[in-house]
Amino acid sequence: NAGVTQTPKFRVLKTGQSMTLLCAQDMNHEYMYWYRQDPGMGLRLIHYSVGEGTTAKGEVPDGYNVSRLKKQNFLLGLESAAPSQTSVYFCASSYVPPGLTDTQYFGPGTRLTVL
Amino acid sequence: AQRVTQPEKLLSVFKGAPVELKCNYSYSGSPELFWYVQYSRQRLQLLLRHISRESIKGFTADLNKGETSFHLKKPFAQEEDSAMYYCALSWNAGNMLTFGGGTRLMVKP
Repeated sequence: NAGVTQTPKFRVLKTGQSMTLLCAQDMNHEYMYWYRQDPGMGLRLIHYSVGEGTTAKGEVPDGYNVSRLKKQNFLLGLESAAPSQTSVYFCASSYVPPGLTDTQYFGPGTRLTVL
Repeated sequence: AQRVTQPEKLLSVFKGAPVELKCNYSYSGSPELFWYVQYSRQRLQLLLRHISRESIKGFTADLNKGETSFHLKKPFAQEEDSAMYYCALSWNAGNMLTFGGGTRLMVKP
């Protein structure tokens, strides 16, 4: 099993450009998440999904959109990139028994620079 | 709103010394706390969670609800423990996590 994979690994954008980050998991997890990691601020939740076809906003959703058309994929889109979106982006997935919590499994990250 | 604080950005110790990485939280509900670790060039991974009450790689963490803390401890640090450590709080049935800012542990030979 590959676990959680992310594409691409690195990307440089100019201000105003758009792009999509792809996250894929092969663990049949219902829950998927997108985080951004910034120095000194830990990981902050951007958007999440509790199942195919459903998405919800996290802590810092502005400037991002997501889609979960297939259970195994979770896409993060930047419509008009800004320098403030320079960060490392992590995707994660988890299996969550009803009413409980469980481990989140993380991808390797995507390093995005917006000039 | 929930909050996780890791007061030390960097903790440097010598091999064999005891280690304590501090984590404090604020949450009005019943908390579930985790420690995640990121070794160099590796992805973030779970180290331990408080409900399992187990010791992983010699690390332990006790949830102290009175002090709202979940400090990570190891009696004798090893060089391979050098990594970035994140404390995280799970705050609803959707398995949402709020992370602290992280502490970089450096274990010197």
